[in-house]
Formats: sequence, C-alpha cells, structure tokens
Amino acid sequence: DADVTQTPRNRITKTGKRIMLECSQTKGHDRMYWYRQDPGLGLRLIYYSFDVKDINKGEISDGYSVSRQAQAKFSLSLESAIPNQTALYFCATSGGEETQYFGPGTRLLVL
Amino acid sequence: GQQLNQSPQSMFIQEGEDVSMNCTSSSIFNTWLWYKQEPGEGPVLLIALYKAGELTSNGRLTAQFGITRKDSFLNISASIPSDVGIYFCAGTTSGTYKYIFGTGTRLKVLA
Repeated sequence: DADVTQTPRNRITKTGKRIMLECSQTKGHDRMYWYRQDPGLGLRLIYYSFDVKDINKGEISDGYSVSRQAQAKFSLSLESAIPNQTALYFCATSGGEETQYFGPGTRLLVL
Repeated sequence: GQQLNQSPQSMFIQEGEDVSMNCTSSSIFNTWLWYKQEPGEGPVLLIALYKAGELTSNGRLTAQFGITRKDSFLNISASIPSDVGIYFCAGTTSGTYKYIFGTGTRLKVLA
C-alpha cells in the first residue's frame, strides 16, 4: 500500500463550490504539506503543518484553507473554487531525514 | 516565491546516451533532493544529498552536492525508455523544513 494517499484522484467542480481534498499517510511523519503544480511550473507551497497544532501559510495560501485532523491526516479546502485554481495538487510528508515523500496527486478542474 | 534554476528545461536523447542536468540557487542549502515525476503521478524521490561535495549513486543515477552548496547535478548513464519523465531538484536549509523546487527538466528518450 502507498505511504501517502490522496482522495479524490480527479475532481471536476463548478465556480463557487467548496471542495475538500484529503491526504493520509502511514509513514508516521509529523510534517505534512500541500503543494500546487501548474504546467511548466515547479511545485508551489500552499500550506504546511509541523504537527497537529501547528499550521502555517505557504507562498500561495489565498483562497485555500487546511485542517490537520490527526498526525496522519491533512486536508485542503477550496472555500469558493475559481477557474484559476485548476491545477494538480500534491500532499507530501517529511520525517527526520529532511526528505519529502509525495502522494499521487489530485487533478482538479474548476469550470 | 523563490524557485531554483534548473537546466536544461527539456532534453531529447537517444537510448543509451548519458544525460546531465543541473540546478542552481542564489541561496545555500544543506540538503539537495532529486525527484522524478511520471505523467499522472506524484514526484518520487531518487537521491538525497546532505554534504557539500557528496557524490551519491542510485543505480544508473548519480547526483552531486556542489561544493559551494548553491548547486547540484544529476547524471543518468546509459538512458533507457523508462527514464522518460520530469526530473525535479529541491533544496532545503536545516531546521526550516521548507523545500524550494526547480522548474523541472523534461526528458524524452528515443528508442
């Protein structure tokens, strides 16, 4: 089984809808991250969490919110989706060795 | 936000050829990571580097941590069709647990 899982893998939604992307990990890592990837661009950090009680904004947090429900779960919400939030979204975790491990991604299309 | 300069942006090579790509930063990093991403999947960690000058191999892949700590290099020897994908570099500074990513090198291997 994959160490980092994301649901859903694909999602189509309409402008103005609220949606949630979920991430779970079995690696036992404290640190979890949400990134966005757009064609031709690298990964950009949306939010990150160093433990259950610690949530931090990344470079592109506007329009997004997160919830760290447990050490193993970190969800990303789009409060009111807009078309320019169409992108590939990745969850990642990090442990003591400063490496990061990524989930398979959620492809989101906002119409 | 900061991004790493990664070159080349894309490469078309013949099967069996060697490949070199590099990543440069304006900042010093303590850890360099190299990832491969295949279509529809999340980035997969290939190699992690922790010390300036370090040379680390993973099969046909070899990566080096530049002595200035502002660059890193990835070489792939005797390329095969399954090497196709996008290769990303990432750097982090000890204790920040935040990662800066390159824009990726897209590799295509012609059989």
